[in-house]
Amino acid sequence: AQKVTQAQTEISVVEKEDVTLDCVYETRDTTYYLFWYKQPPSGELVFLIRRNSFDEQNEISGRYSWNFQKSTSSFNFTITASQVVDSAVYFCALTLTMEYGNKLVFGAGTILRVKS
Amino acid sequence: EAQVTQNPRYLITVTGKKLTVTCSQNMNHEYMSWYRQDPGLGLRQIYYSMNVEVTDKGDVPEGYKVSRKEKRNFPLILESPSPNQTSLYFCASSRTGLGGNTIYFGEGSWLTVV
Repeated sequence: AQKVTQAQTEISVVEKEDVTLDCVYETRDTTYYLFWYKQPPSGELVFLIRRNSFDEQNEISGRYSWNFQKSTSSFNFTITASQVVDSAVYFCALTLTMEYGNKLVFGAGTILRVKS
Repeated sequence: EAQVTQNPRYLITVTGKKLTVTCSQNMNHEYMSWYRQDPGLGLRQIYYSMNVEVTDKGDVPEGYKVSRKEKRNFPLILESPSPNQTSLYFCASSRTGLGGNTIYFGEGSWLTVV
């Protein structure tokens, strides 16, 4: 099966703590894309990152960093020095190659609560 | 500004009363799709469209219809809504259906069926 697993349903941290959100995927494709989205309480989906399967370099963007490891089929997301504004639901997603094109397969999401 | 616009954003309706959620994009994208989001399940694809007059079912199409008469619009139709269709709905578009393209999501439509 081609799927995305976010095993952490909910994480609570205190402000300034570092937190890592796990994402494990399964796919038969050799070329694929992985995404992270943030969903704040207002409900919209905010794009954070897209990574293709041939680029295993880790990426850092401010307090955000991503660790992509094909050997373990993981694409984990770390927030350094978390802030209350980071409180949201975070989704990891994978492109699934279909006959007609690709579609996104989402994980169930991880609720992150950052307390002051 | 690149946008995917959904309407209505919030709706409470009654069982069996037909409703349409509109979706419009201003980027001349070929590919559009609808997702629904439910707790513990993430987002699941309802229908997609590769281009005008080309639509097909996603993972959870039961109870929904779509049409793509114009490139910019992709309405989602609930002919006879039921309470199990209470959900948060997202419309998405991308230049093509290929995985490398940037995917744009609408702001979401909260639908409650009582």
